[in-house]
Amino acid sequence: AQKVTQAQTEISVVEKEDVTLDCVYETRDTTYYLFWYKQPPSGELVFLIRRNSFDEQNEISGRYSWNFQKSTSSFNFTITASQVVDSAVYFCALKRSGTGGFKTIFGAGTRLFVKA
Amino acid sequence: EAQVTQNPRYLITVTGKKLTVTCSQNMNHEYMSWYRQDPGLGLRQIYYSMNVEVTDKGDVPEGYKVSRKEKRNFPLILESPSPNQTSLYFCASSFELAGGYEQYFGPGTRLTVT
Repeated sequence: AQKVTQAQTEISVVEKEDVTLDCVYETRDTTYYLFWYKQPPSGELVFLIRRNSFDEQNEISGRYSWNFQKSTSSFNFTITASQVVDSAVYFCALKRSGTGGFKTIFGAGTRLFVKA
Repeated sequence: EAQVTQNPRYLITVTGKKLTVTCSQNMNHEYMSWYRQDPGLGLRQIYYSMNVEVTDKGDVPEGYKVSRKEKRNFPLILESPSPNQTSLYFCASSFELAGGYEQYFGPGTRLTVT
């Protein structure tokens, strides 16, 4: 079965704190794609990053970084020096490949509150 | 401007009255999907399309229909809506770029079925 688990329902931090959002996935596919999306209070969904299963390089983009570990089936997202504008719901997603077509499974999301 | 549009943005309807939510993208993307978002459940895929006339079920297809007659349009049809279809609906489009399939989402349609 394909599954994405975001165990943290809500996280609250104070501005400038670092915060890590966890994502654990399950899949039997050997090739798959992982994503993070952001949904700010305005409601739109914004793509942040993707990772292919054959590329375990971690990535840093400004204050954002992502740690992909196939050994633990995790794709965690860290925000360094958080800001109020980071307050949003963050979704981790898994897209199948091959016979899975374009099936995509999202986690339940983690709501992040960053207080000034 | 590259975008995915959905109409209507808000809809209140009654049980059993057929409705269609339209979705259109201007990016010439092959892939399109419909999702519903419910509290505590994240986004769940209803249907997806990999190209014109190619559609397949997602995880929660019951009670919904789709069609893809043109590349840019992917309407979602509720032939007999029920209150459990009250939700926030998102359409998305995607293409393969360097091995990735990131999705671009429409603004959402909030549907209430009474």
